[in-house]
Amino acid sequence: NSKVIQTPRYLVKGQGQKAKMRCIPEKGHPVVFWYQQNKNNEFKFLINFQNQEVLQQIDMTEKRFSAECPSNSPCSLEIQSSEAGDSALYLCASSLGANTGQLYFGEGSKLTVL
Amino acid sequence: GEQVEQLPSILRVQEGSSASINCSYEDSASNYFPWYKQEPGENPKLIIDIRSNMERKQIQELIVLLDKKAKRFSLHITDTQPGDSAMYFCAASRSGGNNKLTFGQGTVLSVIP
Repeated sequence: NSKVIQTPRYLVKGQGQKAKMRCIPEKGHPVVFWYQQNKNNEFKFLINFQNQEVLQQIDMTEKRFSAECPSNSPCSLEIQSSEAGDSALYLCASSLGANTGQLYFGEGSKLTVL
Repeated sequence: GEQVEQLPSILRVQEGSSASINCSYEDSASNYFPWYKQEPGENPKLIIDIRSNMERKQIQELIVLLDKKAKRFSLHITDTQPGDSAMYFCAASRSGGNNKLTFGQGTVLSVIP
């Protein structure tokens, strides 16, 4: 069983609605990544954090998503205005950071935008 | 940024034979190369990884090879079993866990009993 906990497993939204997903990284892992896996199984990196700070993010995330990793609370990724093309599996992964490189993924949140 | 190409996209093998998946990368600074197995409806699971200070690594029936000069790495599954049927992804990243993984396109492996 994954030690990275993602909720909800499934969410269904209408176009224009907000869609929020949460992630609790593995205990002791300061680095958190969000990836989008589309229906063609392609991975797209969205954003990563070290503790509460954003390390890297793509343009789409900056423009359309709101993401944070507050201390002592789950990390979250929220699409401000869902579009049909946002339908995908959103995967959170955590890592010890530094030079380990190993990422461990949660079960994912599957978003369907009607 | 880094680009990772993965082939083949579909691989069918007989139970007991070997399966090989090949990946190439572009960024010569990439030095960490994991492989993930993803079953339908599940999350990707790390099955083996190799760092650039190694050329070969084996965990049970899984062998990974890394050719830094050619910027290629590969996964070999020996003595395949039906339970090995899944989607496999290679990935690459630079040193430091802060750096994102760039994934290949994936290979659907079917092991025929």
